Amino acid sequence: NAGVTQTPKFQVLKTGQSMTLQCAQDMNHNSMYWYRQDPGMGLRLIYYSASEGTTDKGEVPNGYNVSRLNKREFSLRLESAAPSQTSVYFCASVPQGKTEAFFGQGTRLTVV
Amino acid sequence: GENVEQHPSTLSVQEGDSAVIKCTYSDSASNYFPWYKQELGKRPQLIIDIRSNVGEKKDQRIAVTLNKTAKHFSLHITETQPEDSAVYFCAAYTRGFQKLVFGTGTRLLVSP
Repeated sequence: NAGVTQTPKFQVLKTGQSMTLQCAQDMNHNSMYWYRQDPGMGLRLIYYSASEGTTDKGEVPNGYNVSRLNKREFSLRLESAAPSQTSVYFCASVPQGKTEAFFGQGTRLTVV
Repeated sequence: GENVEQHPSTLSVQEGDSAVIKCTYSDSASNYFPWYKQELGKRPQLIIDIRSNVGEKKDQRIAVTLNKTAKHFSLHITETQPEDSAVYFCAAYTRGFQKLVFGTGTRLLVSP
């Protein structure tokens, strides 16, 4: 039982490049979330998926897309990376009928 | 959408003192308010939570209070210890436990 696994842990991109951040959970959780963490800004919600097959925008969705591939996986895609997207990205999941969110270890992304 | 504000952004106390962190929320439909602790370089983890039908909850040295009328809730840590040093986030669930929004975080420093 690995919990919530994010890949990669670190990534450096050039402006304009694209990439996908992967998140997988092995706990049969229903809801999944993507957040970005910047100094002084807290954890800001990018997108979330309340159940398999559904996705919704959070507070800061611009420049991102998501895919809930199946119940286990929720990916975050940057189509054309910008320096403003330099951040630490966290994926989280919540069991059905429960409220505690379990976080992945984070992905530190730098866009130069 | 839901907006969660958190104060103060930084808090320094002496070991043994109490610490109080305050949050306000905007969506009157929010119904569950968790608090997360994030140690340096680690992922956030749940430390305590409170539901909208409860005014106060305690767990050893930590307690949370909720004022639904005023739409604010607080975290109280008594007899602080150096290991309490971390960033603390308040959060609120809305949209029927689907959307989880976080505050901007409070960096707590407990000096020996």
